[in-house]
Amino acid sequence: QVQLVQSGAEVKKPGASVKVSCKVSGYTLTELSMHWVRQAPGKGLEWMGGFDPEDGETIYAQKFQGRVTMTEDTSTETAYMELSSLRSEDTAVYYCARVVHTYGSGVIDYWGQGTLVTVSS
Amino acid sequence: DIQMTQSPSSLSASVGDRVTITCRASQGISNSLGWFQHKPGKAPKSLIYAASSLQSGVPSKFSGSGSGTDFTLTINSLQPEDFATYYCQQYNTYPPTFGQGTKVDIK
Repeated sequence: QVQLVQSGAEVKKPGASVKVSCKVSGYTLTELSMHWVRQAPGKGLEWMGGFDPEDGETIYAQKFQGRVTMTEDTSTETAYMELSSLRSEDTAVYYCARVVHTYGSGVIDYWGQGTLVTVSS
Repeated sequence: DIQMTQSPSSLSASVGDRVTITCRASQGISNSLGWFQHKPGKAPKSLIYAASSLQSGVPSKFSGSGSGTDFTLTINSLQPEDFATYYCQQYNTYPPTFGQGTKVDIK
């Protein structure tokens, strides 16, 4: 069955970077797209970016442009999201989400379990 | 960006109740809308896509409707495991955007 298993919680200092991994099984990364969504404490869900197969490139939310990089290692079936120049407002649970591309940005059908990233001095 | 507005923000219901959550888009999105269930500390669960199609394995007690700007999620015969926060999301246009969530708790 499809599984997305994320790396464990991280504590980072302001200004540092964090790299969250998402290992998939039950399908291969080349079949479908991966997107990333986060949820800050007490807040709703916020889309960060993801791969668009129509354009063949990764699209990032404007808010994170220049600070986020999303990559994939097909040899290990693992997707990564790296966020740099961390600030306290980046404290959140980060989710990877599998996307079936039908129309627009596509349909999320499976989610990872989430990775808590805490940014604190 | 397309704004998604859910109502109500929260509701209290009893086991066995039928509940309806609405989601309004700031501009037309055809039927490019999904619904998700989220419980604290758990991964969100995808319930519905294309406004009214059930994701694989989702029970038929969940149903969705709407097109254009106005959408609804209905949950029939509410059970203890259904108490959660529900989000709508439009994927018609980049960036995909979520509603602010509707928390369904026990009356």
